[in-house]
Order: sequence, then C-alpha cells, then structure tokens
Amino acid sequence: SQTIHQWPATLVQPVGSPLSLECTVEGTSNPNLYWYRQAAGRGLQLLFYSVGIGQISSEVPQNLSASRPQDRQFILSSKKLLLSDSGFYLCAWTTARNTEAFFGQGTRLTVV
Amino acid sequence: GENVEQHPSTLSVQEGDSAVIKCTYSDSASNYFPWYKQELGKRPQLIIDIRSNVGEKKDQRIAVTLNKTAKHFSLHITETQPEDSAVYFCAASRSNYQLIWGAGTKLIIKP
Repeated sequence: SQTIHQWPATLVQPVGSPLSLECTVEGTSNPNLYWYRQAAGRGLQLLFYSVGIGQISSEVPQNLSASRPQDRQFILSSKKLLLSDSGFYLCAWTTARNTEAFFGQGTRLTVV
Repeated sequence: GENVEQHPSTLSVQEGDSAVIKCTYSDSASNYFPWYKQELGKRPQLIIDIRSNVGEKKDQRIAVTLNKTAKHFSLHITETQPEDSAVYFCAASRSNYQLIWGAGTKLIIKP
C-alpha cells in the first residue's frame, strides 16, 4: 500500500533562518506531488506541484522554493523565513490529475 | 482564475439532523469537485467527489449534488453523528493539477 511521510511535525524557527521540509512517498511510482499551506481557519493554498523529477510549477510568488531530486521525494525550502511564512504545511500526492489527493501528516511551522 | 466560495463558515446541527454545505465556483471549465474532511490537527481526507458529467452522487449518509448551470455544488450529510464534527472543504479543478479550495466549514454536531 502507498504511504506518505512528512517531517518534522512541528517546527519553530527564527525570522531570517532557512527552512527545509521533506516529504517522501512509498509504494507508488511517478506520483504527482504537491505542497500546500493552510493558514489558521482557512482553506488550502497550493504552493508548488511537480509531475516528475526536476519539474516544479510554482503557483504563488513567495520566498519559498521546491525541489524534487528523486521520483518520490519532494522538498520545500526557504533561504530566509518571514513571519508570514507561519502556517500548516501539507505535502500531498495523486496518481493523476483530478484524482484523490493523499496528504502527509503536516508540519506546523511557527516563525518567531 | 478559479474562485471557490464556501458557506456557511460554521454550521451547528443537532445530532441526527441533516447538514448541508454549499460551494460556488467561477470557472465554467471546472469539471472535478471533491469534498475533504479535516479533523482538528489532522490531515484532510477525501470523503466524496463528483465530476461534471454527473448531477448527484451518494455514499451512505453522504451525498453531493452539482448544478453546472448555476455553478454550485453542495454536500449533504444525513443522520449526523458526533464523529461528523470536523472542518469540511470543497474544491474545484479543471483538467489540470490545480485544486482551488473553499475556505472551509466547521461542522458542530450538538448532542
């Protein structure tokens, strides 16, 4: 069966520090991978998606970046965090377009 | 671009009653409409979805209806139970990778 791992679960980082969140998927090949951010009491905002190794599409201009170094690995990064980067970050995968999205457990990021 | 509006933001119903959550979308080319349930502090999980070639879909106590002309779709939960308490999100997508999400509805089931 397929599983998705996302870590860490919680993170407190000072303003200006770097960020690296990692997500890996097991049990499937060539998944579509996604990074979402969820502000408190709000819906999900798509940040990046990837349909293959090295292929990244950015949906929202910001100081975040994403990379996909391996087929089932998706990384969200920042060189310098802002207070506004605080939120709940969720990684997800799908087998194809417009199919069920499976989410990781999420990372609650607090920038102080 | 696509915009999805979801109402109400909070819904409180008596246990055993029905709950209805409504969403409207702006892009007439949208053709996929999922509903996700998110319990407090947990990940969203798909509960039901509908595609634009279908007007209604049911799965036990949950149903979704789609009105393409009016560009709105609704989630119906019958015989609500305490475990139905959660935040529910609607979303809409064209034939691409971009799901546009509603802001969510907090459903409270009163005992």
